[in-house]
Amino acid sequence: EPEVTQTPSHQVTQMGQEVILRCVPISNHLYFYWYRQILGQKVEFLVSFYNNEISEKSEIFDDQFSVERPDGSNFTLKIRSTKLEDSAMYFCARLTPTGSTEAFFGQGTRLTVV
Amino acid sequence: ELKVEQNPLFLSMQEGKNYTIYCNYSTTSDRLYWYRQDPGKSLESLFVLLSNGAVKQEGRLMASLDTKARLSTLHITAAVHDLSATYFCAVLRGAQKLVFGQGTRLTINP
Repeated sequence: EPEVTQTPSHQVTQMGQEVILRCVPISNHLYFYWYRQILGQKVEFLVSFYNNEISEKSEIFDDQFSVERPDGSNFTLKIRSTKLEDSAMYFCARLTPTGSTEAFFGQGTRLTVV
Repeated sequence: ELKVEQNPLFLSMQEGKNYTIYCNYSTTSDRLYWYRQDPGKSLESLFVLLSNGAVKQEGRLMASLDTKARLSTLHITAAVHDLSATYFCAVLRGAQKLVFGQGTRLTINP
C-alpha cells in the first residue's frame, strides 16, 4: 500500500500568514487524519476526514483550520492566520477501517511560526 | 471521552535489563497501537493489537492486550541502546479517532 507523503517537510512562516500543509496520496476508501505534536509533547488529534467530509474534529480545530481535497488526491490542512503557538509537527495519517489494520503516519511537516 | 494514560512517562534503564511500559484506557475500543518515535521523526508503527489476550513480539519488544482490564503492556527484554526512543500507545475509538497516550521517553544507558 502507498505510504503517506507530506509536503513540505519544514515550513517557516510569519505570524498571521496562511499556510497549507499537504498530504498525498489519498484513496476514497480510507480515513485520513491530521495530528499535531508540539515539541516533546503529546500527539494531539485535530480532525478526521472520510469521503470528502469531516468525520470528527477536536476543540483545537477551530475556525482558523480547514481541510480539503482540492484536486481529488491531495489532502490539505490550511491554517488561515498562524499564531506562535501553532508551531509544531503536523502529521497526516491514514487508516483502513477494515482489512489492513495499520494506521500509517506521514513523515510530518515541521511548522515554525515566527 | 476516551482517555489513554501511559506510565511511566520517563524511564531510564541499563542495557540488559527488562522493563514494562503500561497503557491504560478508559472505554472499550476496537484496536490498540504501539508506536516508536525517535527525536524529530515521525511515528513508526510497532504493533497493532486487535483482541483480548493478543500478544505480539518483535525482537526485544513484546506487546499484550487485556481488553477486560483496558490495559496494554509493552515489555522490553534485555534492553539495548538502540531501543532508546519515545513510545506511544494509541487507542482507536470507532474508526474515527486515534487517541494517544502521553508517551514514555525511554533512555537506555550502556
